[in-house]
Amino acid sequence: SQQGEEDPQALSIQEGENATMNCSYKTSINNLQWYRQNSGRGLVHLILIRSNEREKHSGRLRVTLDTSKKSSSLLITASRAADTASYFCATDAFVGKLIFGQGTELSVKP
Amino acid sequence: DAGVIQSPRHEVTEMGQEVTLRCKPISGHNSLFWYRQTMMRGLELLIYFNNNVPIDDSGMPEDRFSAKMPNASFSTLKIQPSEPRDSAVYFCASSPRSDEQFFGPGTRLTVL
Repeated sequence: SQQGEEDPQALSIQEGENATMNCSYKTSINNLQWYRQNSGRGLVHLILIRSNEREKHSGRLRVTLDTSKKSSSLLITASRAADTASYFCATDAFVGKLIFGQGTELSVKP
Repeated sequence: DAGVIQSPRHEVTEMGQEVTLRCKPISGHNSLFWYRQTMMRGLELLIYFNNNVPIDDSGMPEDRFSAKMPNASFSTLKIQPSEPRDSAVYFCASSPRSDEQFFGPGTRLTVL
């Protein structure tokens, strides 16, 4: 069964707008990660947030984690056409093993 | 560093044939993962190795699937016999620690 579930499944925005994707999970975690997948390519790690952290930034990315609600969000600010991709959250079921959600398909229109 | 290397990138075969997918992890990474991605089921973990030892193979669909890691720089995923429902993109990933994973480009398998 899926541990992480992303919302929305698809998101279409204009270049320059912000994109927010959400992830909910079911069990306790040590950390939560976000990955990006461009069409036809492998996944690329974006950011990791640990269970004792509430917010983390990396460039135009901002990730929040609410362990009481078992949810996380990924915000991409000032989006670009090159941000068009699928975004996945992944949680560690136990050490070393990640469970991925179904992903959010983001389309950024120039 | 070349990253995780997978071969072949594309494989088309007929039902009943044996298929072998290959992976070379990033040097120094001690964990290796095999995933399968389909539209219907998303990204599924099939098996993972730590220091060349299989730790969790609960995601392997059935006995037709087997995976080996004879040394730290090579792993194979074998399907014998293959079936049309095995058609998917198979990813290999490696990790230096128990967090960030580095994915290969994937092998797109089509079983006719």
